Amino acid sequence: GQQLNQSPQSMFIQEGEDVSMNCTSSSIFNTWLWYKQDPGEGPVLLIALYKAGELTSNGRLTAQFGITRKDSFLNISASIPSDVGIYFCAGQLSGGGADGLTFGKGTHLIIQP
Amino acid sequence: DGGITQSPKYLFRKEGQNVTLSCEQNLNHDAMYWYRQDPGQGLRLIYYSQIVNDFQKGDIAEGYSVSREKKESFPLTVTSAQKNPTAFYLCASSIPTGGGNSPLHFGNGTRLTVT
Repeated sequence: GQQLNQSPQSMFIQEGEDVSMNCTSSSIFNTWLWYKQDPGEGPVLLIALYKAGELTSNGRLTAQFGITRKDSFLNISASIPSDVGIYFCAGQLSGGGADGLTFGKGTHLIIQP
Repeated sequence: DGGITQSPKYLFRKEGQNVTLSCEQNLNHDAMYWYRQDPGQGLRLIYYSQIVNDFQKGDIAEGYSVSREKKESFPLTVTSAQKNPTAFYLCASSIPTGGGNSPLHFGNGTRLTVT
């Protein structure tokens, strides 16, 4: 099956710092999704990307669909305590429903006071 | 409000017992999914259903069973054949457009502990 490499695995940052994480794949995807999961909860969709090269923002979050279709990054500017959680990328194949969705292993964001 | 409800939030069972996890959605979504999440791992697909009365195995279906008798409901049974059942289980739903533009909406999960 498809494999996604998500990095870093965890991040320890100070409040107010910017955050950057990315996902890479050996295969092409036609959709990239970024989710955030709070402890004990289900993941919530942050940003969906549908076109190579697309750059999309959602408040302090910005994500880009790599031009090669094999990667995507997520940036968070000026981090705040509620940004703590696990961030997952997911790549989706062309023509597939969510059964064609592959998840990265997540980036655990920890904000130090 | 529309959403996906998983119950219970926490579930404890003895080894050798079957257990059923509930998932209900009122989003009018056709497709429903079950994922398993283990610490430090991504989400792994157990079973999915694109339409009522039909379902397909995902990547790790062994030891699990599902049914889809109603559009709103997709219960998951963890059987005694599942060798390592302790995990966090997530249910999701989506509108299957076939074009990839169908992000998953997740429930809040059920944490199953088997001793």
